Amino acid sequence: DTEVTQTPKHLVMGMTNKKSLKCEQHMGHRAMYWYKQKAKKPPELMFVYSYEKLSINESVPSRFSPECPNSSLLNLHLHALQPEDSALYLCASSQFGNTIYFGEGSWLTVV
Amino acid sequence: GDSVTQMEGPVTLSEEAFLTINCTYTATGYPSLFWYVQYPGEGLQLLLKATKADDKGSNKGFEATYRKETTSFHLEKGSVQVSDSAVYFCALSDNAGNMLTFGGGTRLMVKP
Repeated sequence: DTEVTQTPKHLVMGMTNKKSLKCEQHMGHRAMYWYKQKAKKPPELMFVYSYEKLSINESVPSRFSPECPNSSLLNLHLHALQPEDSALYLCASSQFGNTIYFGEGSWLTVV
Repeated sequence: GDSVTQMEGPVTLSEEAFLTINCTYTATGYPSLFWYVQYPGEGLQLLLKATKADDKGSNKGFEATYRKETTSFHLEKGSVQVSDSAVYFCALSDNAGNMLTFGGGTRLMVKP
């Protein structure tokens, strides 16, 4: 069973809404990630946090805003999304140099 | 840059058949190699991993051996079950272990 917990599991939002995806891990990992996965495709890296600081931003549009309040939590704030942003959003964590573990994902639909 | 190539699916097998999903990679240095599995409607689960040449990862009857000479990490299982139906992703991590490069995924369908 995954020890990376994501909420909500499903989210439907309008293009003018503001919502957030949340992720939590209690494995003591100091690296946390957001990935985006479209249907029938592999996950694509969006952001990496190392020691609560943003270390990698893969040219993600500013309508996606990550936040790492502490070493256990990772949020993804969503604003003014487009229908093409509908996807599975996966959070993951790791201890540096070790295996990356994924959560169950949040299914996002933008209407 | 690093890349992973895996056989395209879908792969359709009957229950108890032998499974091979091919995976080859291109990387600098000495990456770690992984197989992740994604069941319908779920996130990715780590299936197995290998961190150096000739290592064999195994889990739930699945095996894969890190072959540096052929840059391969093929996934095998001797007897598949209907419950193994899923999408399988081969992946490698960079030397620092902070980023994953995924293959395109292979969908496996096992029929009773």
